[in-house]
Formats: sequence, C-alpha cells, structure tokens
Amino acid sequence: GQQVMQIPQYQHVQEGEDFTTYCNSSTTLSNIQWYKQRPGGHPVFLIQLVKSGEVKKQKRLTFQFGEAKKNSSLHITATQTTDVGTYFCAGLSSNDYKLSFGAGTTVTVRA
Amino acid sequence: DAGVIQSPRHEVTEMGQEVTLRCKPISGHNSLFWYRQTMMRGLELLIYFNNNVPIDDSGMPEDRFSAKMPNASFSTLKIQPSEPRDSAVYFCASSLAGLAYETQYFGPGTRLLVL
Repeated sequence: GQQVMQIPQYQHVQEGEDFTTYCNSSTTLSNIQWYKQRPGGHPVFLIQLVKSGEVKKQKRLTFQFGEAKKNSSLHITATQTTDVGTYFCAGLSSNDYKLSFGAGTTVTVRA
Repeated sequence: DAGVIQSPRHEVTEMGQEVTLRCKPISGHNSLFWYRQTMMRGLELLIYFNNNVPIDDSGMPEDRFSAKMPNASFSTLKIQPSEPRDSAVYFCASSLAGLAYETQYFGPGTRLLVL
C-alpha cells in the first residue's frame, strides 16, 4: 500500500535560522496537503498542492510539490518561536484515493 | 462560527468497558473523518463518511470498533470492548465535499485512556 515518509522526525532550530522538512511517497499522489499541530492541539490545515512542480508561499513558509508528484517539501525561513509544533504532510494516492499522513516533523526552537 | 465539536474531551475507562466518542461536524460539510493519533503509529484515518454513508472503513482496526453517522450533524465512534492499546487521541474532521481537493477541519480531539 501507499506509504508516506517524512524526514526528519525531529528538527531543533535556532531562532532565525531556516529549515526544511521533506515528504516522500512510494506512489504517485493526486495532491498533497500540509498541516500543523501545536503541542496539545489538533492538526490545522496549512496548504494543498495539486500540480506537478507547484510552489506556494505563505509568508515565511514555502511549499513545493515535486515534478513526479511523489515528494514535497516545506521550507521555513527565519524560524520564530511561533513555528513550534509538528508539521504533517498528507498525500492522496492517485491510484486508490487513499489518504496517508506522514509521521510528522516535530520542530522545537531555541531562542 | 463553531468548528468541529467533539465530546468528551477526555475519557478514562477500564479495559472491557464500552467507549463512545461523539462528533458534530461543521454545518454544511458533507464529509466526516475519524482519525486516531498515537506516538507509535502517528495519525491514522479510521473511517470516512460522505453524505452520511461510510465510504472507506479500511482503517478501522478490528470488529471492536464501529462508527455511525445517523444524520449530517452527528457521528459516533464506538469501541466495545475497549483495550489498553486503544489509548490514543481520537480526532474527528469534516470537509465541505470529499477526500480529494478539500481542506479538512479537525476537532479538538478526545483523549482516551484505557486502564
């Protein structure tokens, strides 16, 4: 079945630095969504990517969908303490329309 | 506007007891999802309803789990009998249309502990 792998599992970042989290699928995706979950909270939708090679930006966050629609990345510039949380990607398989979440990247920030 | 509402927010029960989790989706949303989140297995989709009809229940762990959606504004997830390995956070989410191309709005979750 489809598997969505997300790396790294943990990211400890100095405030002000940039970092990237990666999402890779074993099968081609119809679309990919990114969610953020604050500690003790629930996942909150950030963005959806549909087109091959698509790039979307939200302020300091840049999301990219790979050309083959099997991978995606989230890049955060100038990390702030408000960026703390776990970032999940969720890929919708183009074969069977099954949705699979990655294990998430948990981000901590040191001031 | 009210978001997805889940109850109870916390549940502590003993092994063998029946547990019922409740969810009220956002008004006007046609799809409802139940997820389970644990440290070991991450976020897992258990079941997905569209227009009150179960579309995909392949994520339901076993026969002890059952879910219903009697109307557009209410769904339940029942575990009978419960076991300690069922301890997790259970999220309900809803979306306007379906699984594809639609944002999912998650509820606050029910934190279940089975002793």
